[in-house]
Amino acid sequence: DQQVKQNSPSLSVQEGRISILNCDYTNSMFDYFLWYKKYPAEGPTFLISISSIKDKNEDGRFTVFLNKSAKHLSLHIVPSQPGDSAVYFCAASARGSNYKLTFGKGTLLTVNP
Amino acid sequence: ETGVTQSPTHLIKTRGQQVTLRCSSQSGHNTVSWYQQALGQGPQFIFQYYREEENGRGNFPPRFSGLQFPNYSSELNVNALELDDSALYLCASSLPGRLRGNTEAFFGQGTRLTVV
Repeated sequence: DQQVKQNSPSLSVQEGRISILNCDYTNSMFDYFLWYKKYPAEGPTFLISISSIKDKNEDGRFTVFLNKSAKHLSLHIVPSQPGDSAVYFCAASARGSNYKLTFGKGTLLTVNP
Repeated sequence: ETGVTQSPTHLIKTRGQQVTLRCSSQSGHNTVSWYQQALGQGPQFIFQYYREEENGRGNFPPRFSGLQFPNYSSELNVNALELDDSALYLCASSLPGRLRGNTEAFFGQGTRLTVV
């Protein structure tokens, strides 16, 4: 039962353009969402998060949008840089079990020079 | 400030054997979580330790067990290894309480376990 879904296994974008990574969730108890970036041979690195009381959070080139009615969130990276090439994981935590994160399968982003 | 470190980085074990993986948490963090990441999957929560006690557990059998020590370092033990236990095992440290705000989990580089 995949409660957090990243339906695009991979995404290829040109340097300087916008990258949009999508994530859907099914558990209505999720109220906090995070994006992690992972390079090969490294652990996931926290990127940006958003609480369910907000619909947008911005940090430099990274913006996360949350659509609670659609149970959908997206990560926008603009402008994309070759160093952004990595696997991006969407994760969520729920009221009542907020000690753990539920992850999606990840999306491999490739930014071409 | 030291980050999360895990040892060993790679390990090969035979089916039926037992394995112990180790994790040192980030300075100031007293909560440690363990995740299993199988090939092509996202990390899956195994359990969390806070103040040397298990604070929550995912859908893993009892042969997955853990310990947390007074210095907040932690061990993951897996008994009776199966081929499907082959995965990247990730340790994450955080401040106690809800995983939000400044309590985001910080991950180590992982231990790649191969069971043959």
